[in-house]
Amino acid sequence: DIVMTQSPDSLAVSLGERATINCKSSQSLLYSSNNKNYFAWYQQKPGQPPKLLIYWASTRKSGVPDRFSGSGSGTDFTLTISNLQAEDVAVYYCQQFYSSWTFGQGTKVEIK
Amino acid sequence: EMQLLESGGGLVQSGGSLRLSCAASGFTFSSFAMSWVRQAPGKGLEWVSGIHSSGAGTYYADSVKGRFTISRDNSQNTVSLEMDSLRVEDTAVYYCAKGAGVGARSPFDYWGQGTLVTVSS
Repeated sequence: DIVMTQSPDSLAVSLGERATINCKSSQSLLYSSNNKNYFAWYQQKPGQPPKLLIYWASTRKSGVPDRFSGSGSGTDFTLTISNLQAEDVAVYYCQQFYSSWTFGQGTKVEIK
Repeated sequence: EMQLLESGGGLVQSGGSLRLSCAASGFTFSSFAMSWVRQAPGKGLEWVSGIHSSGAGTYYADSVKGRFTISRDNSQNTVSLEMDSLRVEDTAVYYCAKGAGVGARSPFDYWGQGTLVTVSS
């Protein structure tokens, strides 16, 4: 099974600053036949279901603000939230969908 | 508007059974894979089970294999999860999630609000 490990478990960032979350996969999520990474990021606010933010490692879902960006390939991925807003307080999860589906343990983002 | 409405959660004793259902609307249900994802109180997300858009393929996490059965009815736009031999550790909010594609290898682009399953000892 593919194991997803996020870091850090939590972070506090000042409003308007940048938040960076990392996710490492136990095996490559890059499918050579189409050069796509089978990897996504989700946001879950308290009391709400998760929402898809980014898929294929770097493609923002329609309607997601452009301050959210994803990067990385293979086994190492990053979610960057530029210009952090109060409404971005949430837990963020990475996910692989290369072989079934697995989530990372989550990273809690708070305001400093 | 896309909607996923879960039902069937509740309190059950260890060893018991429960059937969850998810009613979908607002999209062509038969064109997309569906999954169930759970979240234990205060914990992270755990994928539980998935089913191909046609129902031809089903997928299970090791933690539920042999105890849970997923099915779908494309004529009724519903997906169900039959849960047998329930354990205390199955206690969680169970979310119905829509796949972005027909089968495995797609993310979940829409989620229901969830239904709580509590298994008591």
